[in-house]
Amino acid sequence: AQSVSQHNHHVILSEAASLELGCNYSYGGTVNLFWYVQYPGQHLQLLLKYFSGDPLVKGIKGFEAEFIKSKFSFNLRKPSVQWSDTAEYFCAVIPVNSNSGYALNFGKGTSLLVTP
Amino acid sequence: DAGVIQSPRHEVTEMGQEVTLRCKPISGHNSLFWYRQTMMRGLELLIYFNNNVPIDDSGMPEDRFSAKMPNASFSTLKIQPSEPRDSAVYFCASSTSRLGEQYFGPGTRLTVT
Repeated sequence: AQSVSQHNHHVILSEAASLELGCNYSYGGTVNLFWYVQYPGQHLQLLLKYFSGDPLVKGIKGFEAEFIKSKFSFNLRKPSVQWSDTAEYFCAVIPVNSNSGYALNFGKGTSLLVTP
Repeated sequence: DAGVIQSPRHEVTEMGQEVTLRCKPISGHNSLFWYRQTMMRGLELLIYFNNNVPIDDSGMPEDRFSAKMPNASFSTLKIQPSEPRDSAVYFCASSTSRLGEQYFGPGTRLTVT
């Protein structure tokens, strides 16, 4: 079955540490890719997106992600995390070809805790 | 822009009761999505509307769930009768297209006792 996998379910980092969250997907065709963030008690907000072009995309709050087509990956990175980055992070994939379905498919999420 | 609006924000009801969740998408968005979020299953798409027409309802758990979109600015998700396993946060999201970024509402936290 087609799926989105986030490798780390829980990550704990100290402030100023670097962050990399893994995301892999199993769709064979062209996809649009997203990272969403959900701060405690809040709704999902878009961090960044990739549709085409430069595979290194920059988002809000210093986050970036790199699309590696050969690895079916879209990993999220941030050079130096802050306490305010504590949140749940979701990778999401949607196949461009609607024959593969209409859903924005989410990974299970990665819970990030940044300690002072 | 007010963003996606959902009501109620919290709903506590007893098993067997009817529950109606409401969503107002962002003006001009023609795609609307209902999701359910639980600890066990994460985020699941329930139904997708395009131009007020249900396109994909394969995620609707069972016949107890129904969704409508009578016009471009309003959608409802109804559960009748509700069961404790329906307890979850239900999100509505809208977009300018199926493939574009989706804007999520604040969610409705449903508790069925």
